[in-house]
Amino acid sequence: GDSVTQMEGPVTLSEEAFLTINCTYTATGYPSLFWYVQYPGEGLQLLLKATKADDKGSNKGFEATYRKETTSFHLEKGSVQVSDSAVYFCALSGVNDMRFGAGTRLTVKP
Amino acid sequence: NAGVTQTPKFQVLKTGQSMTLQCAQDMNHEYMSWYRQDPGMGLRLIHYSVGAGITDQGEVPNGYNVSRSTTEDFPLRLLSAAPSQTSVYFCASSTQGGETQYFGPGTRLLVL
Repeated sequence: GDSVTQMEGPVTLSEEAFLTINCTYTATGYPSLFWYVQYPGEGLQLLLKATKADDKGSNKGFEATYRKETTSFHLEKGSVQVSDSAVYFCALSGVNDMRFGAGTRLTVKP
Repeated sequence: NAGVTQTPKFQVLKTGQSMTLQCAQDMNHEYMSWYRQDPGMGLRLIHYSVGAGITDQGEVPNGYNVSRSTTEDFPLRLLSAAPSQTSVYFCASSTQGGETQYFGPGTRLLVL
């Protein structure tokens, strides 16, 4: 069935470092792709999404491009801040559900 | 708008006890779902509903029941709690199953 695989964590970076979190997907159709973020003690919230191939989702300095040829949706940010410390989940849309990756914990140190 | 609300925030149960986790949304969303979050396993879908009176099983439905009598509410029932059900439970809603999900703050459940 459809699924997503994201890079194992945890990831620890210094403030202002470049961030990449890899996400690849397996799907029979053309799903929408999402990145959600979970801050400590909270539920998940949408960070960005892309609905078709070559679309770029962006929000709060984060970007991800829907790459059909490599079945990927990698999350990037040019300069991370301490406030970006959270768990990041890649997800794809199913017919009646959403499939989530295992999550990648990011810690940004000052 | 309150969005998606969940109660309680934290609960401790003994093995064999029953309880209901409450979930409500005020966004008039047709689709609602329950997930459990366990370390290293991401979110796994327990049950979902595409509208009032309609529910279906997700990836890990055993030990859980749901009902959807109104658009707003989607309670999750544990009939006989087991230690394997210790987890963090999230309720979510959206316009459709494959659209952006809006999550509640979660219920942390500990079964002894």
